[in-house]
Amino acid sequence: DGGITQSPKYLFRKEGQNVTLSCEQNLNHDAMYWYRQDPGQGLRLIYYSQIVNDFQKGDIAEGYSVSREKKESFPLTVTSAQKNPTAFYLCASSMLGGLASPLHFGNGTRLTVT
Amino acid sequence: EDQVTQSPEALRLQEGESSSLNCSYTVSGLRGLFWYRQDPGKGPEFLFTLYSAGEEKEKERLKATLTKKESFLHITAPKPEDSATYLCAVQAGSNYQLIWGAGTKLIIKP
Repeated sequence: DGGITQSPKYLFRKEGQNVTLSCEQNLNHDAMYWYRQDPGQGLRLIYYSQIVNDFQKGDIAEGYSVSREKKESFPLTVTSAQKNPTAFYLCASSMLGGLASPLHFGNGTRLTVT
Repeated sequence: EDQVTQSPEALRLQEGESSSLNCSYTVSGLRGLFWYRQDPGKGPEFLFTLYSAGEEKEKERLKATLTKKESFLHITAPKPEDSATYLCAVQAGSNYQLIWGAGTKLIIKP
């Protein structure tokens, strides 16, 4: 079945350490996204990519970095510069086109930094 | 400023008790309004896209409607398995990015 796989499901890190979250899709979608979800807030966009080797900052990119070397993969690195990294991180993908296209989400990675 | 507001924040219903969730928006040039369902610890699951005022979509016990200012997600005779957080998002103007509401947590008691 086609879908988006995020790993790991839970991740624990000490303050000051960088950590990389994995996201792989086999939907053949061009666009991929990283969102952060915090209690009581709407999803906030961190980074997105519409094509391989190209990506753009979202609303809260500070302290994060990404790469898009393959169409299927869009890993997110949470750096030590991110002030409040503990959150639920969601990866998504979509087709691009004239009409609005729905996002397909993975099941998230819950990151806890202490 | 573009904004999406969902109400209520939480809704508790008895099994079989129909109700509606609201998603109001202030954006310029609506391209599409999306409804998603999210179970605890999981990613959102796509339900519906609505493109223009007057449009309606149905899936099992759920029906989504759209006006120029808001969308409703009507739940008819809900069952406990309908318990989830329902998210609304809007895509507007020339920007591909979505503006998300904070969600409505729906609890259906047997």
